Amino acid sequence: DTAVSQTPKYLVTQMGNDKSIKCEQNLGHDTMYWYKQDSKKFLKIMFSYNNKELIINETVPNRFSPKSPDKAHLNLHINSLELGDSAVYFCASSLYPGTGGGYTFGSGTRLTVV
Amino acid sequence: AQSVTQLDSQVPVFEEAPVELRCNYSSSVSVYLFWYVQYPNQGLQLLLKYLSGSTLVKGINGFEAEFNKSQTSFHLRKPSVHISDTAEYFCAVSDTSGSRLTFGEGTQLTVNP
Repeated sequence: DTAVSQTPKYLVTQMGNDKSIKCEQNLGHDTMYWYKQDSKKFLKIMFSYNNKELIINETVPNRFSPKSPDKAHLNLHINSLELGDSAVYFCASSLYPGTGGGYTFGSGTRLTVV
Repeated sequence: AQSVTQLDSQVPVFEEAPVELRCNYSSSVSVYLFWYVQYPNQGLQLLLKYLSGSTLVKGINGFEAEFNKSQTSFHLRKPSVHISDTAEYFCAVSDTSGSRLTFGEGTQLTVNP
């Protein structure tokens, strides 16, 4: 079983559309994250949730809205997609912060806005 | 806040040669340090981590790293690389709350035959 799974793996869409990416983890972790990897492979945190509560909300356009229905799921909804949103989005999870266990990452969603 | 600098964006080496990927960090508080590997079109996989204790940490696939507090470095080494080690390697740091993992810009390791 995949520990952190994201769907879809690839997403091609037109500017102005609204799309969602789903993430699920079966590790029993308390905290989940969204990271964005740009074309130069730089990874930047977008959001984190601990047990459904928003913990980190970086300077991200409010067109991006995370939703955590339970601690095993963290979805990312993006409104009015722009060309600059094209990137690979990674979901990750970890045990409650402070344990130093490191993060477990999903395999990523490659979003292409045309 | 923490930051990470990976000193080499690309490192080409020949198969069976040793390799060192360099990482420096900046932080005003105690930190945890990590190395992740990303193979093409895949997610990130944890190679090794330093939390406390022995400054030399061993990870998967024969990699090891040494924490040097005075030089604020956490360099990754492997004595003999294989073609299959070709990948992007990321150094990352968090404070001891672990609530935010900050990544360096990555080092592309290319192992040539």
